[in-house]
Amino acid sequence: ETGVTQTPRHLVMGMTNKKSLKCEQHLGHNAMYWYKQSAKKPLELMFVYNFKEQTENNSVPSRFSPECPNSSHLFLHLHTLQPEDSALYLCASSQGLNQPQHFGDGTRLSIL
Amino acid sequence: QQQVKQSPQSLIVQKGGISIINCAYENTAFDYFPWYQQFPGKGPALLIAIRPDVSEKKEGRFTISFNKSAKQFSLHIMDSQPGDSATYFCAATRSGAGSYQLTFGKGTKLSVIP
Repeated sequence: ETGVTQTPRHLVMGMTNKKSLKCEQHLGHNAMYWYKQSAKKPLELMFVYNFKEQTENNSVPSRFSPECPNSSHLFLHLHTLQPEDSALYLCASSQGLNQPQHFGDGTRLSIL
Repeated sequence: QQQVKQSPQSLIVQKGGISIINCAYENTAFDYFPWYQQFPGKGPALLIAIRPDVSEKKEGRFTISFNKSAKQFSLHIMDSQPGDSATYFCAATRSGAGSYQLTFGKGTKLSVIP
């Protein structure tokens, strides 16, 4: 069983909906990450949190809003998404910022 | 430029053969090079990693070869098995304090046929 759990595994939403993705890590790590994985493109880093503080926002549109209430939980709030936002959204965690990252199995997001 | 170029995009290998995936990078500050393996419906999993102070690292059937002067590194899978069929991503980063942003290649889909 993965130490990083993502829910839901699949999500279909309309462009005007509001939904949230959840990530929980059971590894005692201090850093957490959101990535976007699209077909035939490299994984794109979206956000980084270290000890609950956001340390990186990779020019992500404001329709994606992250939240990190503690070092074990990470959320990605979604609002007014576009069809091109359809992708696999991966969460990862690491002991520290320069330590190996462990990924969850992702949420497959489809925007209608 | 921060990108990492990975080839081939897809690879078909006979069972028992050697699978070779290549990556090239441009940023000479990169000093940590991991490889990730991703099965369908799963997230990427760290497979093996290397730092540029060595030219080769081997773990079981998986070997990374590193050529610092050419800024290239490759993954070799010996005695490839059908269970190795997955997508493989190379990545690179600068591992100094505060550095964490992995730059990924586009991935190679490996199919090992019986």
